[in-house]
Amino acid sequence: GAGVSQSPRYKVAKRGQDVALRCDPISGHVSLFWYQQALGQGPEFLTYFQNEAQLDKSGLPSDRFFAERPEGSVSTLKIQRTQQEDSAVYLCASSSDRFYQPQHFGDGTRLSIL
Amino acid sequence: GESVGLHLPTLSVQEGDNSIINCAYSNSASDYFIWYKQESGKGPQFIIDIRSNMDKRQGQRVTVLLNKTVKHLSLQIAATQPGDSAVYFCAENKGSNYKLTFGKGTLLTVNP
Repeated sequence: GAGVSQSPRYKVAKRGQDVALRCDPISGHVSLFWYQQALGQGPEFLTYFQNEAQLDKSGLPSDRFFAERPEGSVSTLKIQRTQQEDSAVYLCASSSDRFYQPQHFGDGTRLSIL
Repeated sequence: GESVGLHLPTLSVQEGDNSIINCAYSNSASDYFIWYKQESGKGPQFIIDIRSNMDKRQGQRVTVLLNKTVKHLSLQIAATQPGDSAVYFCAENKGSNYKLTFGKGTLLTVNP
């Protein structure tokens, strides 16, 4: 597609439920990033893939967060046993190279945990 | 700690004026900087980038200036339009580290 696509755009879940957020990167982009954005704040890095390899997951807040990109294209961010503090916008970005190439973002998934 | 910060949280300008949004960074190892525009309900939109081996880079109506001596970055928007109203973030890439570190953002409001 022309840009990074994320789904769903909005997700409401009850505390304790599991959620899965999907990201379709720009075609041909080998690098894929997940960020978390709290209201009024800048995005915070969660994890990074180069093709199917997860090279950095240092930003994942806890072991309840899991990301995968099995075929090096579409990625899924899964949050298990959701908690209220997980409420945020989850942004996906992709880029064509690791260095000196801008990351292009999708419009995010707004997750609300009740 | 290492961070990217913005001097002004809000900026209000008249349509047609030039806007300047500032950003400070603390890590001298940062070598790549990006400005993003974020409108309500949307993801950050790439505006312009600059590498640390440059002092200035121009795009369409936008210019980014980098002062490595004082670790300062600015975004200049010429002839600001109502459609420029948004939150602007600067982001840095620290050396060989590819993950972006964002500041809090500056809300730009353009008055018609």
